[in-house]
Order: sequence, then structure tokens, then C-alpha cells
Amino acid sequence: AQSVAQPEDQVNVAEGNPLTVKCTYSVSGNPYLFWYVQYPNRGLQFLLKYITGDNLVKGSYGFEAEFNKSQTSFHLKKPSALVSDSALYFCAVRDTGNTPLVFGKGTRLSVIA
Amino acid sequence: EAGVVQSPRYKIIEKKQPVAFWCNPISGHNTLYWYLQNLGQGPELLIRYENEEAVDDSQLPKDRFSAERLKGVDSTLKIQPAELGDSAVYLCASAGNGETQYFGPGTRLLVL
Repeated sequence: AQSVAQPEDQVNVAEGNPLTVKCTYSVSGNPYLFWYVQYPNRGLQFLLKYITGDNLVKGSYGFEAEFNKSQTSFHLKKPSALVSDSALYFCAVRDTGNTPLVFGKGTRLSVIA
Repeated sequence: EAGVVQSPRYKIIEKKQPVAFWCNPISGHNTLYWYLQNLGQGPELLIRYENEEAVDDSQLPKDRFSAERLKGVDSTLKIQPAELGDSAVYLCASAGNGETQYFGPGTRLLVL
């Protein structure tokens, strides 16, 4: 069975500083990994995904994520945080095809001016 | 390109009443999902459709929940009767031949 762990409920970072939101996963086959962001009273917005290829994936709004197979991690990063990045971030995994995503519990990012 | 459309955005009902949610996926997306998101949690799958066929409904509480996607396009999720514990956000998502699922804004249900 697939699973995702987001070990931090809350991450606080000062505006302009780099940010990292952590994610580890467990899947039987090759992982398909995703990051979504959720703003208040909004649905989930797709940020980026890793399917195959380069371990460093670049996505929307300056976010990127690094796939590390040996550590089964897919941490989300941004070199310089903005106040507008404050939101709830979800990591998700699935194995193949259009199978459902399994989500982590989410990490609330707070960027302080 | 229009995104996934859901209605209503908010619904308040009394327990034991029926409620229905509607979803229109992105045009051309054959796969449609209904997810349930409880407060402070990630979404969890309720049902997945490939065109008009429900291919994964193992997590759908069938005693009170039902769903349909008759023509393989839009879909309706129903709860009858609603219980207090059904208060949550109901998210619809769709996917084409690619790997990415796109989500609608969700319907926030409050059962009193």
C-alpha cells in the first residue's frame, strides 16, 4: 500500500529566506510524486510532479522539488519565500496509470514579512 | 481552458436530509475522482470513474453515498441521509491521458 508522510504540521520562514517542506513516501513500484498547494476555501492547485528523469523538478511559482530514491523523499523547495506562498501544501503519491492519489496530511507554510 | 467546475460551493443542511454535489470535469478528461477532505487532513478517495464506469468505489460508504456519471462527462455525488460526521469538503478532480489530476474548488458541506 502506498503512503506519504509529511513530518511537519507547520513550517515558519522569513520572507526572502529559502524554504523546504518535507515529504517521504512508500510505494511498491516506481513512484509518481506530486505537490499541490491549497489556499483558504480553494481547491488544490497543482505545483509540480516527478514521473521519471531528472531528480530535480521545477514547477509553478518558482517552486522545485528533489526526488531522492535512496531516502524515499520528495522535498519541496523554494530559494526565496514570499508572503503570498503562505498556504497548505500537500505531497501525494501514486503508482501507475490514473490510479488515485494518496495524500499526506499537509504542511502549513507561514511566510513572515 | 476551463478548469474543473463544482457546485454548490457551500451547503448547509440538517442531519437526515439528502444532499447532492455536481462536478463537471475538464473537457476531454475521461477519468473523474471524488475525494473527501476532512479538516486538517489530506483528501481521501471516495470513487473513481473511467468514462461512465466506476472502477474504484471501495471507499464509498454505499449505505448512504451514491454517485453517477451517466454519460461519462459530468458527475453527481449524493448523500442520503446526511449525518453530522459528513461535514467536510468534497473535492472533484479529473485527469486526461497524462498523469496529473486537476482539482475543482470543492463543496464545503456543513451538517447541523
